[in-house]
Amino acid sequence: DAGVIQSPRHEVTEMGQEVTLRCKPISGHNSLFWYRQTMMRGLELLIYFNNNVPIDDSGMPEDRFSAKMPNASFSTLKIQPSEPRDSAVYFCASRSGGQLYNEQFFGPGTRLTVL
Amino acid sequence: AQSVTQLGSHVSVSEGALVLLRCNYSSSVPPYLFWYVQYPNQGLQLLLKYTSAATLVKGINGFEAEFKKSETSFHLTKPSAHMSDAAEYFCAVSDITGNQFYFGTGTSLTVIP
Repeated sequence: DAGVIQSPRHEVTEMGQEVTLRCKPISGHNSLFWYRQTMMRGLELLIYFNNNVPIDDSGMPEDRFSAKMPNASFSTLKIQPSEPRDSAVYFCASRSGGQLYNEQFFGPGTRLTVL
Repeated sequence: AQSVTQLGSHVSVSEGALVLLRCNYSSSVPPYLFWYVQYPNQGLQLLLKYTSAATLVKGINGFEAEFKKSETSFHLTKPSAHMSDAAEYFCAVSDITGNQFYFGTGTSLTVIP
């Protein structure tokens, strides 16, 4: 298996622009997670989906952030409009729901820089 | 509610010395616990996990962790540090559904040659 795939790996954009991050989870995994990592705040859970349905989006910082999962093999995280404080590494992770102790598998991340 | 506390945001050890990274958990139910490693510019990778099958858990790269219920701890150890162990290490506990993970703030390990 190719693991969790994220694109792009790096994104540089200007303040006010729309940014879309993409994630393909591991085939057969039914949970998907979006995290943000910064030096100041560490690793933060933004939102997670179970069977394509958003379960908990309490970590989404503000209305500028939105996430979708139209099918089991694809998810997007959109920031519109972007701001410099959104600069961070965004990780997608997926998990199989077979056992309670199943781990999350992380993608390589998207490094976002908003100028 | 579930949470983990990692004591020491930075740990330095000499090459060949014992590595000890501390993690204490808080959980209202029997926990499932995890250690992840993050190398520079990479995602998190699972080192090992506690599933209640055994209190001493062996993971990849020579790491192991011991679950101690009386101390609510799940410390990560390695007998002899290698230069390649330099990375960020995260402890995590899952919620009652096993779905949502609560990560610690991470410990940065430096290995001194």
